Amino acid sequence: AQRVTQPEKLLSVFKGAPVELKCNYSYSGSPELFWYVQYSRQRLQLLLRHISRESIKGFTADLNKGETSFHLKKPFAQEEDSAMYYCALAQGGYNKLIFGAGTRLAVHP
Amino acid sequence: GAVVSQHPSRVICKSGTSVKIECRSLDFQATTMFWYRQFPKQSLMLMATSNEGSKATYEQGVEKDKFLINHASLTLSTLTVTSAHPEDSSFYICSARDPGQGGTGELFFGEGSRLTVL
Repeated sequence: AQRVTQPEKLLSVFKGAPVELKCNYSYSGSPELFWYVQYSRQRLQLLLRHISRESIKGFTADLNKGETSFHLKKPFAQEEDSAMYYCALAQGGYNKLIFGAGTRLAVHP
Repeated sequence: GAVVSQHPSRVICKSGTSVKIECRSLDFQATTMFWYRQFPKQSLMLMATSNEGSKATYEQGVEKDKFLINHASLTLSTLTVTSAHPEDSSFYICSARDPGQGGTGELFFGEGSRLTVL
């Protein structure tokens, strides 16, 4: 069955520290993976997608098919990065997105 | 980016009544919209795919007679929670993809509608 697992509910770091938000997936086909972010009192929005291999706001994520992972990383966390982060897996040519449970990132000064 | 708007943002109703939530794509036409439900401190769960001009496709375990979806135009989908009960209290979120962005896969989300059933 298709599944997205984010093992950490909360990740708490200090400003300037490296951040890694874990995401593992289970999917029989070729996965299309995304990271979505939800800042306080704002709607969910796309952060990045693996297919474009881009870096947004200093965040990167590499798809590792061997480990079935798509961890989100940033070398130096900023306070404004504090938000809820969701890893998502697209099925059926982007017809459906399956979301992980989400990880709350708290960056302290 | 494309804008998806939901209304109302909050609604409180009595048990047994029906509630309608609207989802509009403001600057693009969406043949398909998606309805999600989010419980407190939990992830988004896909409820159904709303298809313009045809019946919605419901996910397993979602009661289609309970959650009526109508997608009458290319910019509007509605979710009606019928005979609401307290366990239907939740955060309902709609999303849509802008076909003008060439199938990049990005979903644009509404701000969500919080339903509280007393």
